[in-house]
Amino acid sequence: SAVISQKPSRDICQRGTSLTIQCQVDSQVTMMFWYRQQPGQSLTLIATANQGSEATYESGFVIDKFPISRPNLTFSTLTVSNMSPEDSSIYLCSVDSLFGSGTRLTVV
Amino acid sequence: KQEVTQIPAALSVPEGENLVLNCSFTDSAIYNLQWFRQDPGKGLTSLLLIQSSQREQTSGRLNASLDKSSGRSTLYIAASQPGDSATYLCAAPTTDSWGKFQFGAGTQVVVTP
Repeated sequence: SAVISQKPSRDICQRGTSLTIQCQVDSQVTMMFWYRQQPGQSLTLIATANQGSEATYESGFVIDKFPISRPNLTFSTLTVSNMSPEDSSIYLCSVDSLFGSGTRLTVV
Repeated sequence: KQEVTQIPAALSVPEGENLVLNCSFTDSAIYNLQWFRQDPGKGLTSLLLIQSSQREQTSGRLNASLDKSSGRSTLYIAASQPGDSATYLCAAPTTDSWGKFQFGAGTQVVVTP
């Protein structure tokens, strides 16, 4: 099965700034998924990232806030833009029923 | 739309007791179902993945069953230990796209020594 590497594992950021999270897979995959887990909540899907096309966002998530890149079949990035404390969450990428180790983001 | 419910929301047991965690899903046209463990502030650890053709999957003290017809899965943890204290999440695929999962809210487990 694929191996997923996600980084950074954690970060503390100032409000108003942006953070880009990277997800690398050791094999080519068609679709990659980004999830968010807010404190005390379960995981919610943010968007589906397909290579060569724009990401598909779930209800409540928009590209301006969470731009996603998918330059090839093994890599994707999620950017959390213009951060506020409400963006403090764990962000996870997923492929083929596997999940990355997550990025714990704290916005101060 | 797939909806996943986990009962109970929280569970506290003394060490040595068996744990039974329940997960129900609304759309039975799933290709697998997965159980995860999550420690506070951490990412997910996959425990068991049951393919739709399987009725159960076992790993050590853990056993997960899957009944697609009734839309239920159960995670059993035998002879619980304090180290089993964590939140356990069930995830079922959505049926609108391969690879997307709907998560339950989780069961928070505390095992007391």
